[in-house]
Amino acid sequence: EAGVVQSPRYKIIEKKQPVAFWCNPISGHNTLYWYRQNLGQGPELLIRYENEEAVDDSQLPKDRFSAERLKGVDSTLKIQPAELGDSAVYLCASSPTGREQYFGPGTRLTVT
Amino acid sequence: DAKTTQPPSMDCAEGRAANLPCNHSTISGNEYVYWYRQIHSQGPQYIIHGLKNNETNEMASLIITEDRKSSTLILPHATLRDTAVYYCIVRSSNAGNNRKLIWGLGTSLAVNP
Repeated sequence: EAGVVQSPRYKIIEKKQPVAFWCNPISGHNTLYWYRQNLGQGPELLIRYENEEAVDDSQLPKDRFSAERLKGVDSTLKIQPAELGDSAVYLCASSPTGREQYFGPGTRLTVT
Repeated sequence: DAKTTQPPSMDCAEGRAANLPCNHSTISGNEYVYWYRQIHSQGPQYIIHGLKNNETNEMASLIITEDRKSSTLILPHATLRDTAVYYCIVRSSNAGNNRKLIWGLGTSLAVNP
């Protein structure tokens, strides 16, 4: 069974530029999560989807971050414009039951 | 705010059992204990979870004390590949935002040859 797929794996951009991350969850997993992980810290939830509905986006900085999950399958997380403090690893996870979560390898973003 | 307390680091000899402790003294009756691990430069990996009974799967065993205020993750025969940061997390079983995982700093386990 294929795992959670994320792309790109690495991204380097200049501040004020836009960036987008893509996630394809495990087939059949209705719940999808986006996390941000800073160096030496645990992951921090940005948004959770149940199918195509965002049911928890309380931690998403909505002035510059946006996400979508059209058709309830794959998802895109966007930052526009990026700031230096956005440098982090962005993780996508999916779950069949809302209990155990299965993570992708993440996208390491560097903003210069 | 993290609801769990874990030692920042531990060492274990290869082939030996690794016992990783976690304190969750404020756990409530409907909160599960989850364990994940994160190998360097990879995404976190689910290991095991439990409510009040001890649990075992192909990766590890989870021992939860009777008062549920602490638990121990046991890797029975640690290998070098088990070197990772291990996260202990408590999470409500209720629907809604209380179901989110609140990640702390975890325990960095080093398995030595």
